[in-house]
Amino acid sequence: QKEVEQDPGPLSVPEGAIVSLNCTYSNSAFQYFMWYRQYSRKGPELLMYTYSSGNKEDGRFTAQVDKSSKYISLFIRDSQPSDSATYLCAMSTSGGSNYKLTFGKGTLLTVNP
Amino acid sequence: DAGVIQSPRHEVTEMGQEVTLRCKPISGHNSLFWYRQTMMRGLELLIYFNNNVPIDDSGMPEDRFSAKMPNASFSTLKIQPSEPRDSAVYFCASRTGQLSGNTIYFGEGSWLTVV
Repeated sequence: QKEVEQDPGPLSVPEGAIVSLNCTYSNSAFQYFMWYRQYSRKGPELLMYTYSSGNKEDGRFTAQVDKSSKYISLFIRDSQPSDSATYLCAMSTSGGSNYKLTFGKGTLLTVNP
Repeated sequence: DAGVIQSPRHEVTEMGQEVTLRCKPISGHNSLFWYRQTMMRGLELLIYFNNNVPIDDSGMPEDRFSAKMPNASFSTLKIQPSEPRDSAVYFCASRTGQLSGNTIYFGEGSWLTVV
């Protein structure tokens, strides 16, 4: 079993839709959870950052972490064509190894105008 | 602010040739990472430097790969000799330090094709 599993998609939605992106993981030591957005032929950029369980909201984006289920989600409200990108989840343990991010393979999202 | 700067952006080389990828981290960042991204394996950490010292090189695939960080503003990743299976996007990334959490900033990548 891979440490982080992410549905690669592709996912295609109409503009204005609510998008749900998800990852599951197997390492119960993961404490930091991140979502990165990667536009075509660009580097990943950090979108959301969460420590431990709970929700975090930033504008149209909400990140949720359920450590009991080892499941994290990213919700995008009122999706826009500019949200079309690959979304990568990433996670790490705490302490001295917190530099070591384990990434999902990414979900390709297309928002159609 | 200038982000992480990588060069070259694209490289096509023949099998057996030496490839050198370059990175300038964000000024003031103490930690530097080299990642490789492929369709099959996703993003993989190759090596991690902190204060110019290699801390974790367990992701370097084989002896053909080497990385250096001679000063705080420059790092190289070298592949010698290159092989077609090395074709991938290589990302350099940096962050402010070990205690800064996981907000790492990626460059735009070096797209390597070995034929």
